Amino acid sequence: EADIYQTPRYLVIGTGKKITLECSQTMGHDKMYWYQQDPGMELHLIHYSYGVNSTEKGDLSSESTVSRIRTEHFPLTLESARPSHTSQYLCASSEWSGGGARNTIYFGEGSWLTVV
Amino acid sequence: AQKVTQAQTEISVVEKEDVTLDCVYETRDTTYYLFWYKQPPSGELVFLIRRNSFDEQNEISGRYSWNFQKSTSSFNFTITASQVVDSAVYFCALSEANFGNEKLTFGTGTRLTIIP
Repeated sequence: EADIYQTPRYLVIGTGKKITLECSQTMGHDKMYWYQQDPGMELHLIHYSYGVNSTEKGDLSSESTVSRIRTEHFPLTLESARPSHTSQYLCASSEWSGGGARNTIYFGEGSWLTVV
Repeated sequence: AQKVTQAQTEISVVEKEDVTLDCVYETRDTTYYLFWYKQPPSGELVFLIRRNSFDEQNEISGRYSWNFQKSTSSFNFTITASQVVDSAVYFCALSEANFGNEKLTFGTGTRLTIIP
């Protein structure tokens, strides 16, 4: 069972507000990820991190930003939310696999964001 | 570029029937990982299985079984004696093992409904 937690689970905010989605894992995983999923659609990687002070953009362009100051914490921030940001955001983590021997990505429960 | 195709958008079966979810993938790498995840209505992604490209053995876990065939680039998932709790969206995913640069590419998912 994965120990990865996201808050808030559900959030409705007004356009132009700044929001931060929190993600924490207690497994000591080096790698963390943020995926975006529109309802009923596939998941797209928007950010990932190899470890502390490492952040990379994913395959899907996003106006959000991330930071990785501590191993266990990988928050995602939207400086000015818009209705187009309405989506589910899923945080995930995995071990650093080095030579690629093992890699299971564990997901949190997701944060449903609605911007009105 | 890697790609995962789940041609079945939605499947409905009557409880206790067997059902197979198809997954076809494309990759240029010789080393890669395949995954299945379950997403119940609550939204979280539950890890079901990981298979590496060198292991073509089929796997069975309770009522779940997976058939990996490199010759046809397929990784199909069968649920035997389906139950209502199996109702969910199921995602197949692929990760290329580039020495730590593993990122999941998801299929579009198959929505499975088990009718009581």
